[in-house]
Amino acid sequence: AQRVTQPEKLLSVFKGAPVELKCNYSYSGSPELFWYVQYSRQRLQLLLRHISRESIKGFTADLNKGETSFHLKKPFAQEEDSAMYYCAFPKRGLDSNYQLIWGAGTKLIIKP
Amino acid sequence: ETGVTQTPRHLVMGMTNKKSLKCEQHLGHNAMYWYKQSAKKPLELMFVYNFKEQTENNSVPSRFSPECPNSSHLFLHLHTLQPEDSALYLCASSQGGEYETQYFGPGTRLLVL
Repeated sequence: AQRVTQPEKLLSVFKGAPVELKCNYSYSGSPELFWYVQYSRQRLQLLLRHISRESIKGFTADLNKGETSFHLKKPFAQEEDSAMYYCAFPKRGLDSNYQLIWGAGTKLIIKP
Repeated sequence: ETGVTQTPRHLVMGMTNKKSLKCEQHLGHNAMYWYKQSAKKPLELMFVYNFKEQTENNSVPSRFSPECPNSSHLFLHLHTLQPEDSALYLCASSQGGEYETQYFGPGTRLLVL
């Protein structure tokens, strides 16, 4: 079954420390992958996507097909990075439209 | 207003009430989604609409009834809900393609007493 696994429900690191939020996927092809973020009292929004290969707010994510992973990384965490992070990939629906398969999310807390 | 809007932002209802949640997108998207976000569960996709046609219903109880009168508006009609239905209900829209971003509304915080 197609599945996204985020093994950590909660990750707490100190400001300035490196951050890695884990995401593993179960999919037979080469999926497009997304990271979404939800800051406190804000709406869920796209953080970055694999196809763009860009760095947003200092975060990067590399697709590792061998390990079927798409971990989110940042070398130096900042307090404003505290948020809920979701990994997701698109699944083709019945009508060829796409919906997202979501991980359970990881709550990141950056300690001062 | 731009983006995806949802009303009301907060709703308290009894188990015998009937209420409706409204979502509107101003992005010209053709796909719209209802999600349920609970504190103790992952984000749950409830319904998907593409060009006003419902394409997914992820085993949602019949006390939740969606309606999509046009590509810009999506409703979720609520009837005889249970306390465990208390959650944040999120609406999202996208162009529906594999690489398309989903844009989310702020959500409706629902409390069922």
